[in-house]
Amino acid sequence: DAMVIQNPRYQVTQFGKPVTLSCSQTLNHNVMYWYQQKSSQAPKLLFHYYDKDFNNEADTPDNFQSRRPNTSFCFLDIRSPGLGDAAMYLCATSNLRNGQETQYFGPGTRLLVL
Amino acid sequence: GQNIDQPTEMTATEGAIVQINCTYQTSGFNGLFWYQQHAGEAPTFLSYNVLDGLEEKGRFSSFLSRSKGYSYLLLKELQMKDSASYLCAVINSNYQLIWGAGTKLIIKP
Repeated sequence: DAMVIQNPRYQVTQFGKPVTLSCSQTLNHNVMYWYQQKSSQAPKLLFHYYDKDFNNEADTPDNFQSRRPNTSFCFLDIRSPGLGDAAMYLCATSNLRNGQETQYFGPGTRLLVL
Repeated sequence: GQNIDQPTEMTATEGAIVQINCTYQTSGFNGLFWYQQHAGEAPTFLSYNVLDGLEEKGRFSSFLSRSKGYSYLLLKELQMKDSASYLCAVINSNYQLIWGAGTKLIIKP
């Protein structure tokens, strides 16, 4: 029973070519997060949605954008990927309506920039 | 600043016990998580501590001392499948989740 789904699992793009990663959830959680994780590093929070409210981290580059059209779906748009954007992108959800701060992760999308 | 410190790498033997330590300095504290992450995969939730003491869950236990800013994850009866990175993460007073870089655990037969 997949709960947080990310597509695709692997994405190859060209330098400067826009790419969109998708995330969906069947948990009905109100908060959705996007993280970037590079090898042997901690996950780095890019932004999160608390319901419809978008919260951008101060150090997230403008190159990264996000959309949440409804509760279940969230997208990460990278407008002009650079070589330094190659990483694993993790989507997570939590149910802060019930004070449950545990974050549940999708399988991740590994992005390769050529 | 805020930071989470954990050893970069540890090695243990199959069937043994290993303790992975985590110390934190954050602006406030609202709970501490341990996640397991296999190579190339997403983190999976292991435990959550918000009060001092030991929480036991099967072969895994997690301990918290808020006064010392310290936690550990204890893994018993190690199996080869326990080879993974173990990430410590703390929720601060702003309800931000601060992550450690993880401890890579290598299990040898």
